[in-house]
Amino acid sequence: GAGVSQSPSNKVTEKGKDVELRCDPISGHTALYWYRQRLGQGLEFLIYFQGNSAPDKSGLPSDRFSAERTGESVSTLTIQRTQQEDSAVYLCASSLVGTGYTYGYTFGSGTRLTVV
Amino acid sequence: KQEVTQIPAALSVPEGENLVLNCSFTDSAIYNLQWFRQDPGKGLTSLLLIQSSQREQTSGRLNASLDKSSGRSTLYIAASQPGDSATYLCAVRPEGGATNKLIFGTGTLLAVQP
Repeated sequence: GAGVSQSPSNKVTEKGKDVELRCDPISGHTALYWYRQRLGQGLEFLIYFQGNSAPDKSGLPSDRFSAERTGESVSTLTIQRTQQEDSAVYLCASSLVGTGYTYGYTFGSGTRLTVV
Repeated sequence: KQEVTQIPAALSVPEGENLVLNCSFTDSAIYNLQWFRQDPGKGLTSLLLIQSSQREQTSGRLNASLDKSSGRSTLYIAASQPGDSATYLCAVRPEGGATNKLIFGTGTLLAVQP
């Protein structure tokens, strides 16, 4: 696609429920990132996928968070047993990866998650 | 550990003024630096990408410079307009490591008064 697509754009869920967020990266972008932005705060790195390599999960805040990506396509971020502190905008970004010339990120418009 | 700082945290200017936003980073080992804008409740829009070997990039009324050795970048906005009001974020892509994830600054909230 022309840009990074995220769905849903807004999600309100009850505490304790599971949610699944989706990211559709730009076609051909092998790198995909998830970030979280809490209200009034900066961006927190969550997880990184690069091709078929093992993902870097170092930013996931707890074992309630997980993410998957099949090949170089869609990624899903799953939050189990949601808590109120999970309320945030979840941003996905993708980029090309190559040697020598390095590429910038393209971000999606985010999913605003509200846990009530 | 790479840290990115942006000054000022907030800025209010009258329409038509030229302005400069500052970004500093503690480790000069970077691949590139990227400037983004974020409108309230929205995602990030990429403005300019500067490779580590470059000194500046220009797009329309925007000009970004990079002094890698001193760990500084500036974003110059000429003839500001109310539509420029947003939060501006700079981010560096560190060298090395398996992730090359972006490290973001704290942002500058810009308000351009009509």
